[in-house]
Amino acid sequence: RKEVEQDPGPFNVPEGATVAFNCTYSNSASQSFFWYRQDCRKEPKLLMSVYSSGNEDGRFTAQLNRASQYISLLIRDSKLSDSATYLCVVVTGANNLFFGTGTRLTVIP
Amino acid sequence: DTEVTQTPKHLVMGMTNKKSLKCEQHMGHRAMYWYKQKAKKPPELMFVYSYEKLSINESVPSRFSPECPNSSLLNLHLHALQPEDSALYLCASSQDQGFRNTIYFGEGSWLTVV
Repeated sequence: RKEVEQDPGPFNVPEGATVAFNCTYSNSASQSFFWYRQDCRKEPKLLMSVYSSGNEDGRFTAQLNRASQYISLLIRDSKLSDSATYLCVVVTGANNLFFGTGTRLTVIP
Repeated sequence: DTEVTQTPKHLVMGMTNKKSLKCEQHMGHRAMYWYKQKAKKPPELMFVYSYEKLSINESVPSRFSPECPNSSLLNLHLHALQPEDSALYLCASSQDQGFRNTIYFGEGSWLTVV
């Protein structure tokens, strides 16, 4: 079983839509969780850390559900510039990072 | 802009060549990483250096040889590579190997082996 499972998409949504991605992880001892964004032919960039209490940054909301072992990312009022691949990252132990396969989002005008 | 700088951005090398990828960060980070990323795949960890010592080697073939000359620099020496080694090579750093530390990526070096 993979450490991190993520729906690869693609998700094609119209501008202004709300879209949500989920990511499940297998190791209950996982300690830290992040969402990264990767544009085509660019490096991954940190979008948000994910905390148990949930956190919000503008149009982006991240949630962690430890009981069900998943993290989610909600994007409200999608913009064209949100088109990218979103990678969930789960950390277990001393910065032992596991990347999901990434979810490709395309926001359509 | 990323504070992790990688050179060269693009490299084409033959299977008998020896070349190096270089990475530099001036954020005072003590953990540095090499990742390999193929198209439409997530980054795969290759090596981790912590306080200038190799702490993780993810069973990477010996044709890839990492080197950490000091706390700001990380090199990846390449020798006798195969065409399937063509990929984006990402350097990254974090404050240390603590699990809460964010990892910051460089822009990557696009490697083509011919």
